[in-house]
Amino acid sequence: SQQGEEDPQALSIQEGENATMNCSYKTSINNLQWYRQNSGRGLVHLILIRSNEREKHSGRLRVTLDTSKKSSSLLITASRAADTASYFCATDGEETSGSRLTFGEGTQLTVNP
Amino acid sequence: DTEVTQTPKHLVMGMTNKKSLKCEQHMGHRAMYWYKQKAKKPPELMFVYSYEKLSINESVPSRFSPECPNSSLLNLHLHALQPEDSALYLCASSHPGLAPYEQYFGPGTRLTVT
Repeated sequence: SQQGEEDPQALSIQEGENATMNCSYKTSINNLQWYRQNSGRGLVHLILIRSNEREKHSGRLRVTLDTSKKSSSLLITASRAADTASYFCATDGEETSGSRLTFGEGTQLTVNP
Repeated sequence: DTEVTQTPKHLVMGMTNKKSLKCEQHMGHRAMYWYKQKAKKPPELMFVYSYEKLSINESVPSRFSPECPNSSLLNLHLHALQPEDSALYLCASSHPGLAPYEQYFGPGTRLTVT
């Protein structure tokens, strides 16, 4: 079952602006990952944050994790038109193996040039 | 080589046909996955193979039959599908085990059942 919910469902911004996407989940997790999917293509792994971490950076990406609120956010700074894609959070639970990822509903990001 | 390849890219099949989807990776990953993704929805896990053995079957109908002939190859055999099975089928691979490993996805096979 899908346990992740993301908001907003869709986000449209201008190039150069920052984009923030949020993810909430229901059960305890081992780690949370963010993936990007260009239209009709496979998913690309962006960043992983472990349950004992609160913040992680990778290039223009910043991820936060609040396990008390069961939520995470993905911030993309200085967005580019090439960032246009769907973004999914994915969790694996404490009681499941690392192989079983549950994806959130996703946020469709459009960056206008 | 960090690529997962899938063939064919597109497949149109009738409800009485038998077809197969193929997936290949050469990253030495010993866990491989099949996902089904409907339009504007997240991927849904179907099957997981770990060390060439089926470890997870998410109650997928028997008209979908996975096979892992060796550590680099993963097949999904399709028979007597329904129109609602039309979707993007994604293959992925990773290191197996409990550690949080990222999954590498192929580009998918767009399946249309007529």
